[in-house]
Amino acid sequence: GAVVSQHPSRVICKSGTSVKIECRSLDFQATTMFWYRQFPKQSLMLMATSNEGSKATYEQGVEKDKFLINHASLTLSTLTVTSAHPEDSSFYICSARQGPNTEAFFGQGTRLTVV
Amino acid sequence: GESVGLHLPTLSVQEGDNSIINCAYSNSASDYFIWYKQESGKGPQFIIDIRSNMDKRQGQRVTVLLNKTVKHLSLQIAATQPGDSAVYFCAENVGAGGTSYGKLTFGQGTILTVHP
Repeated sequence: GAVVSQHPSRVICKSGTSVKIECRSLDFQATTMFWYRQFPKQSLMLMATSNEGSKATYEQGVEKDKFLINHASLTLSTLTVTSAHPEDSSFYICSARQGPNTEAFFGQGTRLTVV
Repeated sequence: GESVGLHLPTLSVQEGDNSIINCAYSNSASDYFIWYKQESGKGPQFIIDIRSNMDKRQGQRVTVLLNKTVKHLSLQIAATQPGDSAVYFCAENVGAGGTSYGKLTFGQGTILTVHP
């Protein structure tokens, strides 16, 4: 089956710093990747849709200047949380799909803790 | 619309019982639905899906029922096992088969606990 890998799986950073999370499709080329955020005991909420070679599309209420998304290759998308604050602490999950008519597969998630 | 819960509903069952987890979805235009299982600290794991032109689909030990009239989805797990303990989410997709395929809106989730 299709494998999507996130790195790191856990990260702790200091308030005010930036942290980058990687999402890789290991055995397929992903034209589209999706980034979700999940707070404790809550559901997943879509943050943005990332298409290879173009700007990401952000959901309403998600600050594009705070959550920088880059999808420069067909196997890698990155989410950078800039000037992180404790309220950004969350579980960040990506999914990736090969094409418009294919299902999306999820990564294992990244636990971000901002102290 | 978005479905986010601050307190997830819970379901406790005994090993061997059948479990039914329910989900109310929000968008009448959704045409594809998926159930996911999420264990602590992990990403969602695909269980079963169903398209809007169906009202029932069966997998191994799982059955999904779709009632479009009332926008309701259910997941039935037969002979529930302790390994089934997890949080279960339904997700809906508008425009599946097109450019929105995989762009999911998740339901609030249900915590399933299976007691041996």
